[in-house]
Amino acid sequence: EVQLVESGGGLLQPGGSLRLSCAASGFTFNNYWMHWVRQAPGKGLAWVSRINGDGDGSSTRYADAVKGRFTISRDNAKNTIYLQLNNVRAEDTAVYYCVRGLRSGATFYFDFWGQGTLVTVSS
Amino acid sequence: SSELTQPPSVSVSPGQTARITCSGEAMPKKYAYWYQHKSGQAPILIIYEDTKRPSGIPERFSGSTSGTTATLIITGAQVEDEADYHCYSTDINGNHVFGGGSKLTVL
Repeated sequence: EVQLVESGGGLLQPGGSLRLSCAASGFTFNNYWMHWVRQAPGKGLAWVSRINGDGDGSSTRYADAVKGRFTISRDNAKNTIYLQLNNVRAEDTAVYYCVRGLRSGATFYFDFWGQGTLVTVSS
Repeated sequence: SSELTQPPSVSVSPGQTARITCSGEAMPKKYAYWYQHKSGQAPILIIYEDTKRPSGIPERFSGSTSGTTATLIITGAQVEDEADYHCYSTDINGNHVFGGGSKLTVL
């Protein structure tokens, strides 16, 4: 059974830093692209970042809203991905979901999601 | 990036057919995906590649497309189908795009 378990969320002040983790199990982790998707209060889902499978995690991509502030990484030995949040802003307040990705031709999509971890940015 | 437009809410009585639309410029060229999201739970993929249903998803869920609009159809909606439904696709530049979500009420 595929499981994705996020952790690391919490309350932090604007300008602060936090690292989210996502522990994966039930599938061959390094074969899959992994993503972070977030949902701000009262808003829709928004894609945040992705990191390639194929073992080396060398290909990453970010939404414009977080580029230069957030960093995605993975540790295949631990079946875990991370999202380092730096210089956070109030608008980064959201539930952050760890998501497994698939490709259909040129389209990436998501087949399994974690339960999410809440990040609140407030002074 | 391009937008995907969904109605904020849809209401039906139990047993009726619910239709939730998702409109976007890139729809004719890109697949649509649908996710069911109940409060406090992980979102679930219910339709992929416009019309396909993953294993374990009830047959009452189906998808269709026409021009720039994808539609999620729930035939014989049940009370347990109450949830937020999100469409997803990619735009012509490969950006990941979600619709704003539609709250389905069955009562």
